[in-house]
Amino acid sequence: AQTVTQSQPEMSVQEAETVTLSCTYDTSESNYYLFWYKQPPSRQMILVIRQEAYKQQNATENRFSVNFQKAAKSFSLKISDSQLGDTAMYFCAFHSGSARQLTFGSGTQLTVLP
Amino acid sequence: NAGVMQNPRHLVRRRGQEARLRCSPMKGHSHVYWYRQLPEEGLKFMVYLQKENIIDESGMPKERFSAEFPKEGPSILRIQQVVRGDSAAYFCASSSTTGTRGGASSYNEQFFGPGTRLTVL
Repeated sequence: AQTVTQSQPEMSVQEAETVTLSCTYDTSESNYYLFWYKQPPSRQMILVIRQEAYKQQNATENRFSVNFQKAAKSFSLKISDSQLGDTAMYFCAFHSGSARQLTFGSGTQLTVLP
Repeated sequence: NAGVMQNPRHLVRRRGQEARLRCSPMKGHSHVYWYRQLPEEGLKFMVYLQKENIIDESGMPKERFSAEFPKEGPSILRIQQVVRGDSAAYFCASSSTTGTRGGASSYNEQFFGPGTRLTVL
């Protein structure tokens, strides 16, 4: 069974600064996908970024980028130039080829301070 | 193209009543997933359905919970005789396929609905 661990329940960052959210996972599979989802107060789940395990290059989406360390089973999210609208709960998630569902971590509540 | 629709958005039930949560997948999607988010926790998988079939219900409690996805109409998650511990946000997601072909894995994005917040008094 796969597990996803987010060890930072809460984090805060000043507007325009950079913040990194941590995520580790455990799996015996070789082919899988990793995601970061954002859940603002509206509770809508919004896909921020995804990484395919067979790709060595780290994914980037505008101000969001990941540091994917496959050997260490680490998948951190870096948010550059933080904005007030980035305030939300962030969930790391895992999907393997053998399972249909997503496995989520417990989340990190990020607050961007003005 | 409308996204995944869930209704109601908020549902209040008293202990012992039944709760019915509905999910209409995105147009063209025939795969539906239900997840539950307890307070202060991440989403936990409950059940995966295709049209008229339950494919994987490994995350669903054995008693009081059931799910269906009929040929016509929305997917329904039904909770009988609700208890206070059932209070949670229930999310539905849909995808066009599961992305697995002949053993080779891929991924078709799951698109999430806005969720139904169930409160049991």
